[in-house]
Amino acid sequence: QVQLVQSGAEVKKPGASVKVSCKAAGYIFNNYYVHWVRQAPGQGFEWLGVLNPTGGNTIYAQKFQGRVSMTRDTSTNTVNLELSSLRSEDTAVYYCARQMFRAVSFFDFWGQGALVTVSS
Amino acid sequence: DIVLTQSPGTLSLSPGESATLSCRASQSVSSNYLAWYQQKPGQAPRLLIYGASSRATGIPDRFSGSGSGTDFTLTISRLEPEDFAVYYCQHYVGSPLTFGGGTKVESK
Repeated sequence: QVQLVQSGAEVKKPGASVKVSCKAAGYIFNNYYVHWVRQAPGQGFEWLGVLNPTGGNTIYAQKFQGRVSMTRDTSTNTVNLELSSLRSEDTAVYYCARQMFRAVSFFDFWGQGALVTVSS
Repeated sequence: DIVLTQSPGTLSLSPGESATLSCRASQSVSSNYLAWYQQKPGQAPRLLIYGASSRATGIPDRFSGSGSGTDFTLTISRLEPEDFAVYYCQHYVGSPLTFGGGTKVESK
């Protein structure tokens, strides 16, 4: 069955960087784009960007340009999110999510989420 | 950016009743590129509806979506105990993708 398994919770200081991983299983990794979406405590969702596992091409939300990087490791079917220059407002649960169809960006499977806490 | 406004913020209903949730877009959502998700506490979202009205795999037919342009609706007929949750809409017309603020359906 399709699974997206994310790395665990992280606590970081302001100004640091964090890396969250998302390991895909149960489907052909290269066939589905993977997005990253975050949810601040008690809040709604914010989209960070998308990665095409074939070639590694990315599109980032303008708000995060320069601070975000999405990469993939095709040998382990893993997609990684790195966010730098962390501030308290980046405290959130970070989700990876699989895009269901090639041309349309909605999500049929989600990871379990990884809580990132930014605190001094 | 397309802003999605969901209303009401909270719906208090009893099992067996129907729920009508609204999602209004700040500009037209072309091709009805709108999805609905359900989220329960401590869980990731679950896809319910895409293309404004197509049910995702395994979603019961008491969930239905409708609408076009700027106004979309999620209807849950005959609420079951497991339906009490927060519901979000999301558009996928280009970048950035955005979500509504959510509607909480709670048990009265």
